[in-house]
Amino acid sequence: QEQLVESGGGVVQPGRSLRLSCAASGFSFSNYAMHWVRQAPGKGLEWVAVISYDGNNKDHADSVKGRFTISRDNSKNTLYLQMNSLRAEDTAVYYCARVKLPGAFDYWGQGTLVTVSS
Amino acid sequence: EVVLTQSPGTLSLSPGERATLSCRASQSVSSSYLAWYQQKPGQAPRLLMYGASTRATGFPDRFRASGSGTNFTLTISRLEPEDFAVYYCQQYGRGFTFGPGTKVDIK
Repeated sequence: QEQLVESGGGVVQPGRSLRLSCAASGFSFSNYAMHWVRQAPGKGLEWVAVISYDGNNKDHADSVKGRFTISRDNSKNTLYLQMNSLRAEDTAVYYCARVKLPGAFDYWGQGTLVTVSS
Repeated sequence: EVVLTQSPGTLSLSPGERATLSCRASQSVSSSYLAWYQQKPGQAPRLLMYGASTRATGFPDRFRASGSGTNFTLTISRLEPEDFAVYYCQQYGRGFTFGPGTKVDIK
């Protein structure tokens, strides 16, 4: 059964860094593009980043471009989100999600909460 | 950037009633690249519809979706207690954007 489990969230001061992980199981991780999506408390969904199945192609939302970097390690079945220069407005639950071609997100993790606060 | 607008923001209905949710795009979106998600409190979103009108696994046929161009609709024919949730539309034809959501709550 397909499963995505995020980890790495927590409370961090503005300007600091954090790396999120998303461990995949139950499917051939290396065959799928993957996304990060976030949801601020009480708010809607915001797309953050996407990475191709082989890691060669990436894209990031303008709101995080230059600060966040998506990556993956197919040998470890794990997706990452490196978050630098964190701001209060980055406070959110961060979800990883798998792509069902041509692009809908068919499996989601349970999310990990990132709180940016001094 | 394709901006999605959903209406109404909140829909207050009783079980058994019909729900009609609207999603409008600022630019034309191929119907192949429009999805709907259901999210319940404290849970991750769940894919409901994709390709504008194909139901995802596990959802009954009381959920129907349609539309093309810039106007899309999700219809729940007879609301069951488990259908009260927030529904988001999403386009993935030109980048990836979500609508702000429609909350369907119990009247």
